[in-house]
Amino acid sequence: DAKTTQPPSMDCAEGRAANLPCNHSTISGNEYVYWYRQIHSQGPQYIIHGLKNNETNEMASLIITEDRKSSTLILPHATLRDTAVYYCIVRVVGTASKLTFGTGTRLQVTL
Amino acid sequence: DTEVTQTPKHLVMGMTNKKSLKCEQHMGHRAMYWYKQKAKKPPELMFVYSYEKLSINESVPSRFSPECPNSSLLNLHLHALQPEDSALYLCASSQGSQGNEQFFGPGTRLTVL
Repeated sequence: DAKTTQPPSMDCAEGRAANLPCNHSTISGNEYVYWYRQIHSQGPQYIIHGLKNNETNEMASLIITEDRKSSTLILPHATLRDTAVYYCIVRVVGTASKLTFGTGTRLQVTL
Repeated sequence: DTEVTQTPKHLVMGMTNKKSLKCEQHMGHRAMYWYKQKAKKPPELMFVYSYEKLSINESVPSRFSPECPNSSLLNLHLHALQPEDSALYLCASSQGSQGNEQFFGPGTRLTVL
């Protein structure tokens, strides 16, 4: 699975959009981009995934660049409950189902 | 029911003890996973069960012994652990062995004295 690079930490004001970047410059054509988050002392939670098109669900939007070398997770209206470590993971679906977590971005949402 | 449950929430054990961690899901998922997470580190995969058969063992020491008695249950048997095995042990499940969305339990926080 391709390696990802994320900033170690970010801050966001409550009510504003949180834009979390992820670089995956060695991504292969059959690899998907997944996002999970882990709120303190809880298990990781799936957020969203995509291959090359932008995706949106009730939690977030995922924007993948045309060359697929980077992506951005957008939380449109961050709340204090969104404070967590966000993991960007690149993986091939259809192989043994490893999730290889990187170091992630610690997002702190403040009042 | 979209929940993965894990028991116990906390466990303290000595190096000579034998204990088991339990994980349960009733979502009809056919793949189940054990991850280990040390403090301030990301989770690391230990084992994957697919259709009740062990499909991945990430070179985990034999003092950790997984068991999948049926499609809803996953156990992790612990024996002769070391203090460095103290960690949060996370269980997850997914629809099939191809992964997609993995649902995680809250974890068992293990302390080895």
